[in-house]
Order: sequence, then C-alpha cells, then structure tokens
Amino acid sequence: GAVVSQHPSWVICKSGTSVKIECRSLDFQATTMFWYRQFPKQSLMLMATSNEGSKATYEQGVEKDKFLINHASLTLSTLTVTSAHPEDSSFYICSAGPGTGGGEKLFFGSGTQLSVL
Amino acid sequence: QQQVKQSPQSLIVQKGGISIINCAYENTAFDYFPWYQQFPGKGPALLIAIRPDVSEKKEGRFTISFNKSAKQFSLHIMDSQPGDSATYFCAASMGGYQKVTFGTGTKLQVIP
Repeated sequence: GAVVSQHPSWVICKSGTSVKIECRSLDFQATTMFWYRQFPKQSLMLMATSNEGSKATYEQGVEKDKFLINHASLTLSTLTVTSAHPEDSSFYICSAGPGTGGGEKLFFGSGTQLSVL
Repeated sequence: QQQVKQSPQSLIVQKGGISIINCAYENTAFDYFPWYQQFPGKGPALLIAIRPDVSEKKEGRFTISFNKSAKQFSLHIMDSQPGDSATYFCAASMGGYQKVTFGTGTKLQVIP
C-alpha cells in the first residue's frame, strides 16, 4: 500500500533554534498534505494544509510564521518550527493521499516527537 | 469546537470480550467516517471506514455501526486480543476531501 515517510522520528533541540520535519509520499504524488499536532494523551489537531506549488492554509490559531510549510514537490512537504520554545514540544504527524479521493486514501506518517529544551 | 465527540476516554476489556467505542458528530455534511488505530509513538493507521449510505460494515473482528438519523457511529471489536491494545480515534471528513476531523480518542487495554 501507499506509504508516507516522515523524518526525523524524534528530535531534541535547544530553545530558540529551528527544526525542519520532512514528509514524503513514497509511491504516489500528493498535491495536498496535512500537518497535525498531537499532545500526550490527546487527539490529533490539524495545523495546516500543505498545497504543492502554493501557500499553505493554516487552521485558526496556528501561527504561520512559527510553523513554516513548504510543499515544493508532489512528493515532499516540510514543516519548519522556527525559534522553537518548550511549549512547541509535541508529536507532529503528516498525512497525504493519492489523487483527490476521499479520506479512505489518506495515509499517515509515523510522526516526529519534538522536544525543545 | 469539537465536531466529533468520542466515548469512553478509556476502556479495559478482557481477552475474548467485545470492545465498544462510540462517536457522535454534528456536521451533517460529513460523508465519510473512518476509524484509526494508533500505537504509542506511531502515526494513526486506518482500521475500517464507512459511508452514511450503509448502516453497518464488518471487516474481520471489526464492525462499524452507523445511525445517520442520530448522527452516531460506533466501533465494535469482537474477540478482543491483547494486541488490540492501542488508542482508537473515530473521525469524519466531507466531500471527498482528505481533511479529517478526529474524535478525542479512546485508549483500549485488553487484559489476558
């Protein structure tokens, strides 16, 4: 089946530094990818929709200057957490699906655990 | 605003028993209702899904029951096994769009 690869799986950084997370669709092209954030024992909250070749669409309350999204190709979207602070520590997950089908063709990456010291 | 409500928050079931997780939604425009299984430190994986034109869907030990008039749907896990211990999320999406709204999650523990 289709696979979405996410890297790194975990990252530890100092406060004030920036961290980049990659999300790749391995065997299909994805014009749209989604970035979620998940706090411990909580649900996944959609942060933004990444659109290939255009600006990302951010959900209400998500700082676009803090969470930079670049969807430069049909197989790669990146999320950069800029000037990270301890409150940005969380589990970040991307998802993507082939074509414009419904949710049944949506696949999730394995997630990135970010810890900001 | 929580568009998909899920209960219970946690569930303990004995091996061989039936696990039941319930969800309710508000937006009648939702037309696709998946269930995801998530293990610690991993992304969610699609378990089973249903569309509102069907009242029930079964795949192996997993069954979704759907009540369109009540705007509710549930997941039944028959013959629950310790390997089923995970967090389960119901979800909903609309119009063929891949943007998924998740429920709050249910942590299932199946004890031997």
